[in-house]
Amino acid sequence: AQKVTQAQTEISVVEKEDVTLDCVYETRDTTYYLFWYKQPPSGELVFLIRRNSFDEQNEISGRYSWNFQKSTSSFNFTITASQVVDSAVYFCALNLQGAQKLVFGQGTRLTINP
Amino acid sequence: GAGVSQSPSNKVTEKGKDVELRCDPISGHTALYWYRQSLGQGLEFLIYFQGNSAPDKSGLPSDRFSAERTGGSVSTLTIQRTQQEDSAVYLCASSASDRDRPSDYEQYFGPGTRLTVT
Repeated sequence: AQKVTQAQTEISVVEKEDVTLDCVYETRDTTYYLFWYKQPPSGELVFLIRRNSFDEQNEISGRYSWNFQKSTSSFNFTITASQVVDSAVYFCALNLQGAQKLVFGQGTRLTINP
Repeated sequence: GAGVSQSPSNKVTEKGKDVELRCDPISGHTALYWYRQSLGQGLEFLIYFQGNSAPDKSGLPSDRFSAERTGGSVSTLTIQRTQQEDSAVYLCASSASDRDRPSDYEQYFGPGTRLTVT
C-alpha cells in the first residue's frame, strides 16, 4: 500500500524566515510520482510540482525548492524568505505509474506572521 | 483560461436528503476525478473518469454515492440519503492524461463544494 506522511501538522514562522515542510512516502513500486499542492484559504488546490522517481535532481523555482531523496523516501519542500502570502495548507501526494488516484498526506498548515 | 469550476460552492442539506454536486472540468481535459476532504480523513480519492472508459469507482465509500460524466465533460456526484458523516468538501480535478499514462499529468483542482449535512 502507498502512504504519505507529513509529520508537521502546523508550522508558524515570522516573515522572511526559511521554512522546510517534510514529506515521507511509502511505496514498493519503483516507478512513482510525487507532488506538492498548495491550498490557500480560498480552498482551491494549486499544483506546485511533480517529480518522477527516476529524477532525484533538486528543483528550484524562485523562493521554492524541493529536495527529493530516495534513500530516505523523502520529498521535502523549502520556502526561502517566506512571505505572508505563503500562508496555506501544503499537501504532499504520491501516485504510481499507471495509477489514477493521488494519495495525499494529511497536510501541513503553514502560517507566516508579519 | 478557465479552470475547473464546481457548483454549488456551499450546500446545506438535511439528513436523509439527496444532493447533487456538479463539476465542469478544464476544456479538453479527458480525465476527471472526485476527491473528498474531511477533517478526520484528509483528502480521499472517490472516483475517476477517463474518456469513454468505465470509471474507477474504487474510492466511493458506500453505494449511496454515485457519479456520472455526460458527454465526456461535465460530471455530477450524487449522494443519496445523506448522513452527517458525509459533511466534507468535495473537490473535483481534471487532467489531460490519457488512459495509458494517467499518472504522467498533473491534476488541476476546482474550488470545491462544501457540503454540510444537518
